[in-house]
Amino acid sequence: SAVISQKPSRDICQRGTSLTIQCQVDSQVTMMFWYRQQPGQSLTLIATANQGSEATYESGFVIDKFPISRPNLTFSTLTVSNMSPEDSSIYLCSCLAVQETQYFGPGTRLLVL
Amino acid sequence: AQSVAQPEDQVNVAEGNPLTVKCTYSVSGNPYLFWYVQYPNRGLQFLLKYITGDNLVKGSYGFEAEFNKSQTSFHLKKPSALVSDSALYFCAVRDKPLRAAGNKLTFGGGTRVLVKP
Repeated sequence: SAVISQKPSRDICQRGTSLTIQCQVDSQVTMMFWYRQQPGQSLTLIATANQGSEATYESGFVIDKFPISRPNLTFSTLTVSNMSPEDSSIYLCSCLAVQETQYFGPGTRLLVL
Repeated sequence: AQSVAQPEDQVNVAEGNPLTVKCTYSVSGNPYLFWYVQYPNRGLQFLLKYITGDNLVKGSYGFEAEFNKSQTSFHLKKPSALVSDSALYFCAVRDKPLRAAGNKLTFGGGTRVLVKP
């Protein structure tokens, strides 16, 4: 399995500011993903982070709000821009390891005041 | 479109009793089915999966799940629950291999399991 770490683990931010979340995988992986888990809800895919090209966003998510970088096969960042209280969620990084299985990082707990 | 239903928001069970968490799915092709567990203030941990082969799959921590194609179900089971199994459980499905275009892992709403001593 892949081991995924995320930074920061949690943060409290003021509305209107931006936060960049880092995701590091302990091995090279072909596919990385970013998910959002709003309070008391299930996981929703934000985008697929593509190495060397623009991320592929799901319906309802746009690059201006959630810019993503993927400079290499082990690292990705997600920025939550111009934050509002509605952005308060857990943001999870995920990657494909072996045999069709996705693994998830510990998540970044974001509270926007 | 693919979807997953977990009909129970919460399951309560006494320690030592069997635990079942229900999951039904809808896909257009062959399903790739997964169970994950989320402990408080933790990320998602992979428990088990069904891709092909035997309908009964065994996973981590003594959990198993049975794929039933006719009932489009993939219920999670554990013969004897532990207090430490108390957590949030998610069923998830894809209808394509992970590297296929348009691939997306869809999650159910989650079921909270409470195991009482």
